[in-house]
Amino acid sequence: KAGVTQTPRYLIKTRGQQVTLSCSPISGHRSVSWYQQTPGQGLQFLFEYFSETQRNKGNFPGRFSGRQFSNSRSEMNVSTLELGDSALYLCASRGTGSPSETQYFGPGTRLLVL
Amino acid sequence: AQSVTQPDIHITVSEGASLELRCNYSYGATPYLFWYVQSPGQGLQLLLKYFSGDTLVQGIKGFEAEFKRSQSSFNLRKPSVHWSDAAEYFCAVGGDPGGGADGLTFGKGTHLIIQP
Repeated sequence: KAGVTQTPRYLIKTRGQQVTLSCSPISGHRSVSWYQQTPGQGLQFLFEYFSETQRNKGNFPGRFSGRQFSNSRSEMNVSTLELGDSALYLCASRGTGSPSETQYFGPGTRLLVL
Repeated sequence: AQSVTQPDIHITVSEGASLELRCNYSYGATPYLFWYVQSPGQGLQLLLKYFSGDTLVQGIKGFEAEFKRSQSSFNLRKPSVHWSDAAEYFCAVGGDPGGGADGLTFGKGTHLIIQP
């Protein structure tokens, strides 16, 4: 079974621009979560989508948004980029969202904001 | 709010020696606890998890962890480390793995260095 895939793997943007990252979950998985990883703040939860609906949201400004499609693929968007948005963005998927399920992480998209 | 503390930022261990990585958590209810490993340039791989039952859990790659409610700890151990174990290790807590009000809460990580 193919793992979680994220595209692109690397991205360079300038301040003020917007960016869209994509995540394809493991086949059959309906839950997709997004995390931001930075050296200073570590790993922080952004949001989770399940069956095309945002189920949970972390403490991030409204510039960070996401969506999920009917095939469970998910995108996250960051508008009006700031230097502090430079980070590794990780996507994770799991099946039906049951508490007993393991989250499987993708390799991440490394975003650099100049 | 839930939180995770990994007191050791870096740990250096000789190859073949035993390892223990510390993790303390704060959570208002029964926690779900996890250890993940991250190699350079890679995503996170689950080593093991604890939901309930036996407080000593076995994971992949020869790792184990013990849940101690009285100490709010979930320390990771390995009897004999290999050079390939060099990586960043993260402890995480959640009431609902991957879900719940705040998703998973991660510690800041422990960087493991293996000396030959």
